[in-house]
Amino acid sequence: DIQMTQSPSSLSASVGDRVTITCRTSQNVITFLNWYHQKPGKAPKLLISAASTLQSGVPSRFSGSGSGTDFTLTISSLQPEDFATYYCQQSYTTPYTFGQGTKLEIK
Amino acid sequence: EVQLVQSGTEVKKPGTTVKISCKVSGYTFSGNYMHWVQQAPGKGLEWVGLVDPEDGKTTYAEKFQGRVTLTADTSTDTASMELRSLISEDTAVYYCAIMGELNSFDHWGQGTLVTVSS
Repeated sequence: DIQMTQSPSSLSASVGDRVTITCRTSQNVITFLNWYHQKPGKAPKLLISAASTLQSGVPSRFSGSGSGTDFTLTISSLQPEDFATYYCQQSYTTPYTFGQGTKLEIK
Repeated sequence: EVQLVQSGTEVKKPGTTVKISCKVSGYTFSGNYMHWVQQAPGKGLEWVGLVDPEDGKTTYAEKFQGRVTLTADTSTDTASMELRSLISEDTAVYYCAIMGELNSFDHWGQGTLVTVSS
């Protein structure tokens, strides 16, 4: 199975901050890497597909980059609604695996 | 608008079986694989498996192999997950999700909580 390592596991930041979350995969997944966020009691929501394609309706302050084994999600200017848990996920091969999550909290 | 509506909360005893449904509307049911994802309380996301509604073919995560069956009924646009021989560690929210063209989970059901307790 492809192992996913996200960092940091948790992060405190303020509204307006620029935030970066990284995801490393144990094997080359090319760009089959997706990002989601999840709020308490809700289903995950897709933010970015294929490493860098912004999902329709997702604000442009979100961006993704990377290929191979190293990927990054950046939020350019945090908004109150962005405080959530973020997950990366590889869709290169089954079993599809997720990172352990990054909990983004208000400072 | 694509919608995935899951069945309600279940409380089951150890050793029994649970079956969860996921009714789809707003898109061509047979056009995309249906996936299921487990989230234990306070934990992350774990992929359970997938079913191809067009031919019923399935792929399961090794952790669930032998205890889970995923099915899809194109006459009702409904996918189902059956999990057998329940143990306390199966207590979780289970989500159905559609994988779109870019191999991401584009749409999710609202989740179904399954509690396994004696």
